[in-house]
Amino acid sequence: DIQMTQSPSSVSASVGDRVTITCRASQGISSWLAWYQQKPGKAPKLLIYAASTLQSGVPSRFSGSGSGTDFTLTISSLQPEDFATYYCQQANSFPYTFGQGTKLEIK
Amino acid sequence: QVQLQESGPGLVKPSQTLSLTCTVSGGSISSGGYYWNWIRQHPGKGLEWIGYIYYSGSTYYNPSLNSRVTISADTSKNQFYLKLSSVTAADTAVYYCARGYYDRSGNYPPGEWGQGTLVTVSS
Repeated sequence: DIQMTQSPSSVSASVGDRVTITCRASQGISSWLAWYQQKPGKAPKLLIYAASTLQSGVPSRFSGSGSGTDFTLTISSLQPEDFATYYCQQANSFPYTFGQGTKLEIK
Repeated sequence: QVQLQESGPGLVKPSQTLSLTCTVSGGSISSGGYYWNWIRQHPGKGLEWIGYIYYSGSTYYNPSLNSRVTISADTSKNQFYLKLSSVTAADTAVYYCARGYYDRSGNYPPGEWGQGTLVTVSS
């Protein structure tokens, strides 16, 4: 299985801050990388797929980049509704696997 | 707008079979271009892909669960199903069904998810 490692595991930030979360794959996955946002008691919400393509309806303050083994999710200006847990997921080979999550908390 | 809804027992005894149904509305599971997934999340933990089924009936299971998992579908009811046999406490989780689309490039991550259903394995 391809292992996905996110960093940091948690981050504290303020409204208006720029935040970057990184995800590393244990082997190359081309651009088969997605990012999800999950709030407590809710299903994950797809934000970005193919490493950098914004899912329809997702605000443009979210962006993704990377290919191969190293990827980033950037939130350019944090809004109150962005405080949540974020997961990366590889779709290069089955079983598809997720990172362990990054909890974004209010400072 | 497609919607997915999981249903099934919230409590299953150890060694028994967990059975869940995902009912799809607003779209047909028999239409091409989509694959239908089961994903679970252990309490307070990360996400684990269980497997998926194409409209053709082809299935793919996570090898870590392969011998215990069956995913099937009933197009007449617009539902797909998960059966997980010989459950233990380690199978206690929130179970999600989800839809993703695919093309010749591959499978794209699911953009539509059910709300999830908590299944507890306990005697």
